[in-house]
Amino acid sequence: AQTVTQSQPEMSVQEAETVTLSCTYDTSESDYYLFWYKQPPSRQMILVIRQEAYKQQNATENRFSVNFQKAAKSFSLKISDSQLGDAAMYFCAYRSESEGAQKLVFGQGTRLTINP
Amino acid sequence: KAGVTQTPRYLIKTRGQQVTLSCSPISGHRSVSWYQQTPGQGLQFLFEYFSETQRNKGNFPGRFSGRQFSNSRSEMNVSTLELGDSALYLCASSLDSDEVNEQFFGPGTRLTVL
Repeated sequence: AQTVTQSQPEMSVQEAETVTLSCTYDTSESDYYLFWYKQPPSRQMILVIRQEAYKQQNATENRFSVNFQKAAKSFSLKISDSQLGDAAMYFCAYRSESEGAQKLVFGQGTRLTINP
Repeated sequence: KAGVTQTPRYLIKTRGQQVTLSCSPISGHRSVSWYQQTPGQGLQFLFEYFSETQRNKGNFPGRFSGRQFSNSRSEMNVSTLELGDSALYLCASSLDSDEVNEQFFGPGTRLTVL
């Protein structure tokens, strides 16, 4: 079974600075998908960014980018120019390619605080 | 286009009772997944329904069940409630099941078991 580990329960950063959230995972599969989800205090989860394991290029979405290290099974999220609206719980998630279905395996989450 | 809606938003039940939660996916989405979120266990996959069929099931006891209707709306049922079932229950919809489409989450139903 796949597992996802987020070793930082809480992180804080000054507004406008850069922060990196860590995520490692364990799998025996070679094809899979990785995601970062954001859960603001309103509780509605939002997809931030996704990465296909077969792609070597790191995904980027505006101020959000990932550092995907397949051999190390590491998938970190970098947030540049942090904004107050980035404050939320961030979850790293794994989706199997072979298993099919939309099952996501989540990490425990990292609570990100933005200091003005 | 309306987002994923879940009803009710809050629910209080007592041990031994049963509960039914409802999820209406985004129009056109045919896959609905359910997750349980607790402070201790985090987010755990319950099951996924696609075209009225359960496609995958997480590691939960048989007290947790679900179904999907022809309009893709889904319900989950928990029978013989236990204190440990207190959680935020999230549903997520996506266009289909096999393709890695984005999953859109609802606001959740907060279930409290007393």
